[in-house]
Parts: sequence; structure tokens; C-alpha cells
Amino acid sequence: AQSVTQLDSQVPVFEEAPVELRCNYSSSVSVYLFWYVQYPNQGLQLLLKYLSGSTLVKGINGFEAEFNKSQTSFHLRKPSVHISDTAEYFCAVTRTSGGSYIPTFGRGTSLIVHP
Amino acid sequence: EPEVTQTPSHQVTQMGQEVILRCVPISNHLYFYWYRQILGQKVEFLVSFYNNEISEKSEIFDDQFSVERPDGSNFTLKIRSTKLEDSAMYFCASDVGRTGGFQPQHFGDGTRLSIL
Repeated sequence: AQSVTQLDSQVPVFEEAPVELRCNYSSSVSVYLFWYVQYPNQGLQLLLKYLSGSTLVKGINGFEAEFNKSQTSFHLRKPSVHISDTAEYFCAVTRTSGGSYIPTFGRGTSLIVHP
Repeated sequence: EPEVTQTPSHQVTQMGQEVILRCVPISNHLYFYWYRQILGQKVEFLVSFYNNEISEKSEIFDDQFSVERPDGSNFTLKIRSTKLEDSAMYFCASDVGRTGGFQPQHFGDGTRLSIL
């Protein structure tokens, strides 16, 4: 079984400040890890992914995440946030299912960027 | 860029009624999915669909639910005899599958279902 824990339900931050959104996972098999972003009234959009290789992965909009196997973490970071980064962020661990992938999502972290 | 489209954006239904949520996946995609997000909770997998049959379903997807691809473009989720606890945002997604490596699922904007 797989599960994802997002430790913070809400993260307020001022514009141009750095931010880290925390994610821990558990899985009995090899994992594929993802971060999705959901802007208001929109669907989920893939921000970045870890499948294998380098543990530091870069995504869209200046975000990056680091896979830490020993700590079973996949925290999301951005060195300087913008107002437009205000959104809901979901961490997900994905397993294969036949010819596709099925994600298990965390509860989400609401990033609120203040001017 | 092609998108997954869902209709309606908001559906209000009386408890006990049947409701059909509609989705148009991206045209060259092969796998189709439904997810549910109850307000304030995580996004949960309901069902995946491939080659005109259910590929996998979760424990949530009981006999109350069914999916169908009635034509070459639409993918529907039917909920029979709706209950108050079915109130949620329902997301449709599609992808090309794992052939050739990872390809992300593309999500629609969701249908908010409100059961009264």
C-alpha cells in the first residue's frame, strides 16, 4: 500500500520569499513521485516528477524537489515565490497499473503568497 | 494545447436521483480516469478505463457507480441513487499510457456535484 503525508495544510508566505512544502511518503515498492498544482477553479497540472536518476528534479515555474529515500521525503521548494504561485499543491506517489500509472495523492497544501 | 473538458462545471441534484458527469478526453489518449475530491480532503482515485472496459477501480467505486464511453469522444461517470456524501468535485483525466515511457495524466477542470 502507498500513502502520502503533506505535513502542512496551509503555508502563508510573503512575495519573493523562499518556500518549502513538505511531503513524506510510504510505499512497499519502487516509487514514482510527483507534485501537482491546482489553481482556483482548474484541474491538476503536473509540476514535476521523479522517476529515477538525479534526486534533484526541476519543474515548471521555478519549482524544484529533492527525493530523499532515507527520509522518505519529496519536499517542494522555490527560492522566490510570486503572487501567481498562490494555489493548492498536491504531492503524489504513483504505482503502475497495467499500461498506466495510478497516483495516490496527499491532502494538499494551500500556498498563500502575500504581497 | 488540447485539453480534457468536463461538463457541467456545477451540477445540483436531489438526493436519490441519478446523475451523469461528462468528459471529453484528449483525442489520441487511450486511458481514461475519474477521481473524486470531497471538500477539504485528498483527491481519490475512482476508476481507470481502457479499451472499452474498466482497467482498475477503487473501493469507492461500488455498484452505485458506472462508467461508459458511449461514442468515440465522450467518457461518462454515472452515479445512481445519489447520496449526500457523493457531494464532491469530480475530475476526469486521460493519458496515452506507459508505452514509450512516462506520460502525465491530463486533468479536466472538474465538475462540482452538490447533492441536496
